[in-house]
Amino acid sequence: DAGITQSPRYKITETGRQVTLMCHQTWSHSYMFWYRQDLGHGLRLIYYSAAADITDKGEVPDGYVVSRSKTENFPLTLESATRSQTSVYFCASSLGQAGRRTEAFFGQGTRLTVV
Amino acid sequence: KNQVEQSPQSLIILEGKNCTLQCNYTVSPFSNLRWYKQDTGRGPVSLTIMTFSENTKSNGRYTATLDADTKQSSLHITASQLSDSASYICVVALNYGGSQGNLIFGKGTKLSVKP
Repeated sequence: DAGITQSPRYKITETGRQVTLMCHQTWSHSYMFWYRQDLGHGLRLIYYSAAADITDKGEVPDGYVVSRSKTENFPLTLESATRSQTSVYFCASSLGQAGRRTEAFFGQGTRLTVV
Repeated sequence: KNQVEQSPQSLIILEGKNCTLQCNYTVSPFSNLRWYKQDTGRGPVSLTIMTFSENTKSNGRYTATLDADTKQSSLHITASQLSDSASYICVVALNYGGSQGNLIFGKGTKLSVKP
């Protein structure tokens, strides 16, 4: 009954480095999402995936790459980290689209600091 | 642009007291409205989901109301407890996804319950 887990919980990296944040869910949910949460903003969508091998950009996709080769995993990669990508990142999953009133479940978050 | 506005930004109340948090939205096409609770250092957890036909929804000491005509929602917390200290996020779901995705997040109200 693990649900949705993110790793690592905390990460410090240097500007220009590549870093990957992991997200794993055990429910076989079709939809998965990556959000970032910054002071003064609501959660903002980076990328989402409707199924394995189907991904699409959200509101703030620049500088990020995603893949989804398996239903249960949805890693987020920062190709060349910048200080502006310092944030708390949340992964979420849902069985269906939000418009159909399906619940979205969030991971515990990854706090990323780029120095 | 679709937006969700919450007030107040922060609130301090004494344990045992009631409080009401407000949410106004300009989102179209509207599908449903959700309230999430986010404890410090954790991911958001759903409290309620309401469609336009539901005026009131309760979850224990939490009662959400929705007025689809005025595009306003409120979250009422009864007999507050120290564990209610958290951020409360109002989220509106669209019927379709765009760059913001299906879920439009407010910035949250930070509630502190003092003994």
